[in-house]
Amino acid sequence: NAGVMQNPRHLVRRRGQEARLRCSPMKGHSHVYWYRQLPEEGLKFMVYLQKENIIDESGMPKERFSAEFPKEGPSILRIQQVVRGDSAAYFCASSPQGAYTEAFFGQGTRLTVV
Amino acid sequence: AQTVTQSQPEMSVQEAETVTLSCTYDTSESDYYLFWYKQPPSRQMILVIRQEAYKQQNATENRFSVNFQKAAKSFSLKISDSQLGDAAMYFCAYRSVDTGTASKLTFGTGTRLQVTL
Repeated sequence: NAGVMQNPRHLVRRRGQEARLRCSPMKGHSHVYWYRQLPEEGLKFMVYLQKENIIDESGMPKERFSAEFPKEGPSILRIQQVVRGDSAAYFCASSPQGAYTEAFFGQGTRLTVV
Repeated sequence: AQTVTQSQPEMSVQEAETVTLSCTYDTSESDYYLFWYKQPPSRQMILVIRQEAYKQQNATENRFSVNFQKAAKSFSLKISDSQLGDAAMYFCAYRSVDTGTASKLTFGTGTRLQVTL
């Protein structure tokens, strides 16, 4: 049973480009959470999705950021027109249900904006 | 909103010794979960130990144990017989028991643990 898979592991984008980060949850998990970790900081919640639904996006910046979790395929975190301040590690976690006792994390995508 | 505070940015322990990492939190809820996660240089977030607030007994996982003081809102992690592989960032995290919008984890800023020979 493969764990949470995130790709790419490293992503370099120039300012103004779009970044797409992918997350495939563990088999049987239908709940996905995205977190952002700025350098030397803890993880900050961004968005919580179930298949085809955004449940909680209270941590998402109001502009340029969006997330989806389609019926088929991985969850996507999209950042449009990236800026240097978007450079961070982005983590995805999944759980089999909302009332979980453990969320399983992927290894993260490190985004560098140059 | 809940907050989690880790007041020790860095800690150091000698191999085979014991170290305690501190965590305090603020919440108005009576039931919740608390977690300690380990993040080695690989960046993988690894669950170390979990505590349900309604359980008075402190959780234990092999060399890892917690001191959960609900009234004081304190949740410290004790690592016994420290090993070189324990060197990592350690994050304390809080989660409500409710589903839906409360399913997210709230993390502290982390403690970097060094293990010396």
